[in-house]
Amino acid sequence: DTAVSQTPKYLVTQMGNDKSIKCEQNLGHDTMYWYKQDSKKFLKIMFSYNNKELIINETVPNRFSPKSPDKAHLNLHINSLELGDSAVYFCASSQGGNGEAFFGQGTRLTVV
Amino acid sequence: GNSVTQMEGPVTLSEEAFLTINCTYTATGYPSLFWYVQYPGEGLQLLLKATKADDKGSNKGFEATYRKETTSFHLEKGSVQVSDSAVYFCALDYNQGGKLIFGQGTELSVKP
Repeated sequence: DTAVSQTPKYLVTQMGNDKSIKCEQNLGHDTMYWYKQDSKKFLKIMFSYNNKELIINETVPNRFSPKSPDKAHLNLHINSLELGDSAVYFCASSQGGNGEAFFGQGTRLTVV
Repeated sequence: GNSVTQMEGPVTLSEEAFLTINCTYTATGYPSLFWYVQYPGEGLQLLLKATKADDKGSNKGFEATYRKETTSFHLEKGSVQVSDSAVYFCALDYNQGGKLIFGQGTELSVKP
């Protein structure tokens, strides 16, 4: 029973398209995150939601829009995809924002 | 600002060798410190943590001590196994809603 699950695992799409990545956690956590891992494996936080409320919004282009319909789900929608958006996107969750995060398996996005 | 610096990889060791991966941090105050591990094709998993100075985190034979005087949190293991081959990330959480700041990751390869 996967704790943090993301779909899809792989996503190949053309420049200019709009795509979404879904994330669900069954741990009962109140905080969820999106991280981006670049080709050199460097990880950086993009967004964080606590009980459906946005609490962290790093310097991310506004083509990226997170949506949290409930505290168990945090989806990421990306408009007008660019080559530079190619990366692995990780969803994560924690309880009370304490740094002990559980990560999903990642979504490898390739923009061609 | 807050940051984490790790030793560069890749690190290649023979089975049963001693492992040290250096990690230093820059932060005002007293962040919590973490080591996460990423096995090939998977998301990150929390390996160990320490929340205050002189705390030692340990798990699966790995350990790290929070050294405030040297702002370090070096990861050690006395005898590595092939199954320890992975990328190891040092991270800090400075009480910013669970926002993790990661080092650049250190790839470890253990040969039989």
